[in-house]
Amino acid sequence: QAGLTQPPSVSKALRQTATLTCTGNSNNVGNQGAAWLQQHQGHPPKLLSYKNNNRPSGISERFSASRSGNTASLTITGLQPEDEADYYCSAWDSSLSAHVFGTGTKVTVL
Amino acid sequence: QVQLVQSGAEVKKPGASVKVSCKASGYTFTSYDINWVRQATGQGLEWVGWMSPNSGNTGYAQKFQGRVIITRDTSISTASMELSSLRSDDTAVYYCARSNNFDYWGQGTLVTVSS
Repeated sequence: QAGLTQPPSVSKALRQTATLTCTGNSNNVGNQGAAWLQQHQGHPPKLLSYKNNNRPSGISERFSASRSGNTASLTITGLQPEDEADYYCSAWDSSLSAHVFGTGTKVTVL
Repeated sequence: QVQLVQSGAEVKKPGASVKVSCKASGYTFTSYDINWVRQATGQGLEWVGWMSPNSGNTGYAQKFQGRVIITRDTSISTASMELSSLRSDDTAVYYCARSNNFDYWGQGTLVTVSS
């Protein structure tokens, strides 16, 4: 089934800002918004944001999410070495009655 | 604290079935949906299906329809996912995750399908 489109990789310098995008359609991102997950190698994913910009307890304010139309974005400010990870977006697709995930973006902190 | 603890790694032959369990603690099991997600080595996340522990209602990704069954035992706060007719490309880490926001995850269970 169709997934959400993310750029494969983003590289930014330490303390810079990275913006990740997630493009879907009106049945998923454009309708329900997106959640963002962070996954370090060898670990389960971790929820960073849900319903566009709700952060779970304990998640740094350096992570902020937004949505414009069918595209969701995750902005990471003040990049730190520990931010090096894979990032996935996720949304409920009302036409598929299924969750769909993004293809994932690998963030490298230079 | 919320925890999802999954059963251990499995090795299965093609055509066999596997059942992975996910024991919840630290919250009311019937208050949140459970989702199952898998990830092949070096690949992205793939949604398998969900269940409402309260009602028992389920939903499955079209790709797995007819091959997967998600069940629960509320008496022991445990959800399970059974995948049948296993193929080599079912080799992956299988995760359970709480709620439609995927706010808590199990540690993952490696399922290896090999002859």
